[in-house]
Amino acid sequence: AQSVSQHNHHVILSEAASLELGCNYSYGGTVNLFWYVQYPGQHLQLLLKYFSGDPLVKGIKGFEAEFIKSKFSFNLRKPSVQWSDTAEYFCAVNAPSGTYKYIFGTGTRLKVLA
Amino acid sequence: SAVISQKPSRDICQRGTSLTIQCQVDSQVTMMFWYRQQPGQSLTLIATANQGSEATYESGFVIDKFPISRPNLTFSTLTVSNMSPEDSSIYLCSVVVATGELFFGEGSRLTVL
Repeated sequence: AQSVSQHNHHVILSEAASLELGCNYSYGGTVNLFWYVQYPGQHLQLLLKYFSGDPLVKGIKGFEAEFIKSKFSFNLRKPSVQWSDTAEYFCAVNAPSGTYKYIFGTGTRLKVLA
Repeated sequence: SAVISQKPSRDICQRGTSLTIQCQVDSQVTMMFWYRQQPGQSLTLIATANQGSEATYESGFVIDKFPISRPNLTFSTLTVSNMSPEDSSIYLCSVVVATGELFFGEGSRLTVL
């Protein structure tokens, strides 16, 4: 069965600091990978996605993620965070050749201090 | 993209009662899911809502507790039956669009007293 693990549950950074959130998945076949963000009081929004091709994907608001197949990882990065990035971030995986279910990690709560 | 409307957005219910949550999508979609997000936790898939047939439930979720209907490609309901305080959660309707992305509704925040 697919599973997703996110290593950091709570992260606190100062503005302008660099961010990297870890995500590892377990599934032997082809996967699609996603990062979703949930700002306080808002619904989940797609930040970026990887289906195939260039393993370095760029999303909205300056976020990027790198798919490393050998490590089963899809870490999220941002070179310089802003206070407005305070949110909860969820990594998700989907196996397109399987049941097409989307499995989510436990989430990382990011707080950026102004 | 898809615009998903859920009703009610929030409700406070008494133990032992049932609540039905409605999900309306602005376009026809094949894949529709119901998730639960308990306080401080991640999203847990409850079931896949299948149009014209019984929903496919994940381990730990049963039809008697969470009956789901999906009469067409734009609408689904999730009922939380015989509620207990442990059912207090946010219930999310989500759909997969043609690009393979998963879109979420605003969620229905349920509090059971």
